[in-house]
Amino acid sequence: GENVEQHPSTLSVQEGDSAVIKCTYSDSASNYFPWYKQELGKRPQLIIDIRSNVGEKKDQRIAVTLNKTAKHFSLHITETQPEDSAVYFCAATSNTGKLIFGQGTTLQVKP
Amino acid sequence: NAGVTQTPKFQVLKTGQSMTLQCAQDMNHEYMSWYRQDPGMGLRLIHYSVGAGITDQGEVPNGYNVSRSTTEDFPLRLLSAAPSQTSVYFCASSYRTGDTEAFFGQGTRLTVV
Repeated sequence: GENVEQHPSTLSVQEGDSAVIKCTYSDSASNYFPWYKQELGKRPQLIIDIRSNVGEKKDQRIAVTLNKTAKHFSLHITETQPEDSAVYFCAATSNTGKLIFGQGTTLQVKP
Repeated sequence: NAGVTQTPKFQVLKTGQSMTLQCAQDMNHEYMSWYRQDPGMGLRLIHYSVGAGITDQGEVPNGYNVSRSTTEDFPLRLLSAAPSQTSVYFCASSYRTGDTEAFFGQGTRLTVV
């Protein structure tokens, strides 16, 4: 079945540094790869997504890259700020309709 | 426009009791799903629906039932609660089959004692 692996499980960086979170997926039919941010006690919210016909997408300090051949995609956050501290989830879906999430990465940005 | 509304926010059940977690959305979304969130395990898909009258199993469906009689509502039923079902439950909806932004409800924290 579909599976999404996410690494690392925790990540601690200094304010201003970059953070990278990596995910791999198993279903070669996957065609949509969103990233969600969940602040403590809140619901997950979409921060960026990428489709299978695109290799990279940027939105201000956030970028996502996709390598379909290797079946992995990554989230890059530059110039990290304390408000970036949260749990980040990657996910993948195909035309079956199942949106499968990774295990999550707890990002701590130290001032 | 309320988005995705889940009730209740908190619930304590005794082992063996049954209950229904309610989920409603007012965005005319076709796709709805239920997840459970446990520490270190991310969001695991329980059941999902691609439209009224259509449901399917996710990664962890055992012990849960769903139905989708209307586009707006997607209730999750716990048939006989077990301590292993202690978790935070999220309902989500999206415009179409899983490939557009998923909007989440505020979550239900369930404790089974």
